[in-house]
Amino acid sequence: AQKITQTQPGMFVQEKEAVTLDCTYDTSDPSYGLFWYKQPSSGEMIFLIYQGSYDQQNATEGRYSLNFQKARKSANLVISASQLGDSAMYFCAMREVYTGANSKLTFGKGITLSVRP
Amino acid sequence: GAVVSQHPSRVICKSGTSVKIECRSLDFQATTMFWYRQFPKQSLMLMATSNEGSKATYEQGVEKDKFLINHASLTLSTLTVTSAHPEDSSFYICSARQTGATYEQYFGPGTRLTVT
Repeated sequence: AQKITQTQPGMFVQEKEAVTLDCTYDTSDPSYGLFWYKQPSSGEMIFLIYQGSYDQQNATEGRYSLNFQKARKSANLVISASQLGDSAMYFCAMREVYTGANSKLTFGKGITLSVRP
Repeated sequence: GAVVSQHPSRVICKSGTSVKIECRSLDFQATTMFWYRQFPKQSLMLMATSNEGSKATYEQGVEKDKFLINHASLTLSTLTVTSAHPEDSSFYICSARQTGATYEQYFGPGTRLTVT
């Protein structure tokens, strides 16, 4: 079963506007972590933000915030004040904690974001 | 921040030859390293998990005899693609988890392999 679902087609946003990238997940593990990574055309994976399943507050990192809705199993990434450099592919990922030290990151298929000037 | 390097960044090899890709954690020790493969416009697919000093754990469908992984030290893991074929052409990314870390996992810049 797919554990991370990213279904949006390519997203477009006007520079300086906010954009939300959707991510839903599926797990029976009560303890898990959710991640968002950015992958520009150069290929490097850039860590953006992390949300633990027991975190009471939504994670924020600068212009990035994670809208964590545990009951709905969604972990949407919100990018405020978009910049041209935000154009990239964005991946949502999950790690289930109880699988041990080798617990793996499972990635969604990604969303391409294009920022228009 | 923690840095992971990969070498080479880009390699072209002939069909039937082998190529080795190195993954190093530059400023931290990594008990566990992960190797991913990514085709254009697709997601990262985990190939194997390697732990320092022990055999790698391969994901289902990944040929362990074709993709040899060696994690000989706490800062170095290598992936050797043996008898490479054009279908092995891909973007290979390693990732390292800092020893004792709760969730941090750092990615290398990737290696683009082209088999001709």
